[in-house]
Amino acid sequence: GAVVSQHPSRVICKSGTSVKIECRSLDFQATTMFWYRQFPKQSLMLMATSNEGSKATYEQGVEKDKFLINHASLTLSTLTVTSAHPEDSSFYICSANVGRDTEAFFGQGTRLTVV
Amino acid sequence: AQKITQTQPGMFVQEKEAVTLDCTYDTSDQSYGLFWYKQPSSGEMIFLIYQGSYDEQNATEGRYSLNFQKARKSANLVISASQLGDSAMYFCAMRPHINSGGSNYKLTFGKGTLLTVNP
Repeated sequence: GAVVSQHPSRVICKSGTSVKIECRSLDFQATTMFWYRQFPKQSLMLMATSNEGSKATYEQGVEKDKFLINHASLTLSTLTVTSAHPEDSSFYICSANVGRDTEAFFGQGTRLTVV
Repeated sequence: AQKITQTQPGMFVQEKEAVTLDCTYDTSDQSYGLFWYKQPSSGEMIFLIYQGSYDEQNATEGRYSLNFQKARKSANLVISASQLGDSAMYFCAMRPHINSGGSNYKLTFGKGTLLTVNP
């Protein structure tokens, strides 16, 4: 199947700093990628839709200025958590589709801990 | 709006036996896609099986089969011959079909079912 690579897999940062998470489609081009957040023992909640060459579409309740998304190329989307706080500690995972009607392929996920 | 309901927070099954994980959905879309994903403790999301709303036959992929009952709006996952490695979180998800219009094919997930396979 298609490969989506997410980096880093784990990151610990100090409160107030920013963290960048990368999501790459390795063997296909992805005009759209999705960013999800998952708290322990809970489901995946969609945060935003990342669109190549245009602004991301954020879900209701997600702060645009806190979770910056950039999709500068057809193979890379980045999520930057700005001025991170302990409540931002969570599992973040991205996904992309190869075609219009295929399953979503997920990255490995990033476990963020803000101390 | 689409909604996925998984009513079983946890399930236990003996190794080599079959188990059914329940999933019901609600949507006003005429066409849609239903997915099952497995999430081990490592966190990765592994695609298991897909069912299109207009598919007449139930989807099967190896030991996985999807019991699709459109009138009841249910899409239960059946795992046959359970293995210890099947222990994981299982998520049912839905997405509008591409022909529903637009390019918004984001997934809506259920809350998941934690499956434990006992030796």
